[in-house]
Amino acid sequence: GAGVSQSPRYKVAKRGQDVALRCDPISGHVSLFWYQQALGQGPEFLTYFQNEAQLDKSGLPSDRFFAERPEGSVSTLKIQRTQQEDSAVYLCASSQTGFSYEQYFGPGTRLTVT
Amino acid sequence: SQQGEEDPQALSIQEGENATMNCSYKTSINNLQWYRQNSGRGLVHLILIRSNEREKHSGRLRVTLDTSKKSSSLLITASRAADTASYFCATDVGSGSRLTFGEGTQLTVNP
Repeated sequence: GAGVSQSPRYKVAKRGQDVALRCDPISGHVSLFWYQQALGQGPEFLTYFQNEAQLDKSGLPSDRFFAERPEGSVSTLKIQRTQQEDSAVYLCASSQTGFSYEQYFGPGTRLTVT
Repeated sequence: SQQGEEDPQALSIQEGENATMNCSYKTSINNLQWYRQNSGRGLVHLILIRSNEREKHSGRLRVTLDTSKKSSSLLITASRAADTASYFCATDVGSGSRLTFGEGTQLTVNP
């Protein structure tokens, strides 16, 4: 079946612009995660949803980062007033439930802030 | 912050050889997972091993877990050029949700 999809795959933004990154999880997956991966590093957790409820947003680096999943399926990660340090690959993952199940990752969105 | 640390950071071997990567972590875990990432792509799940398991196999992959030493190893047998990728361990530390990744091992398998 279809995996996790993300769009756009690549995004170039000028510093100060707002961006919105979309994630379509695997159908029926309750849990959805966002991670940020800097070049040469492992992914770092940003936030987690179970259905439409955002249960953990402790990894969001600042209040410029905002995520939503209003209907419990598609999720959007929004970054306001982008800065150069926001340049990274943003990965979305979904799983059947949050507890002890493998997470399935999308291809990521590579954000470059110039 | 990174919970896991992979060792070595980079590994280069010849096709047909075995590759072993190690991961150490700091806190108690529910499970530990290994992922592969090819250059410029998303992560692919390889194996999940629960805290009460000691060894798990999947095809050419063998994972061990030693909770007393807070360490895990991933063995890839009879490596192929297509195994060239970055390999990450990730721990589920008890909330049952977020994964905490290490910095990865870059494996290069030379044909």
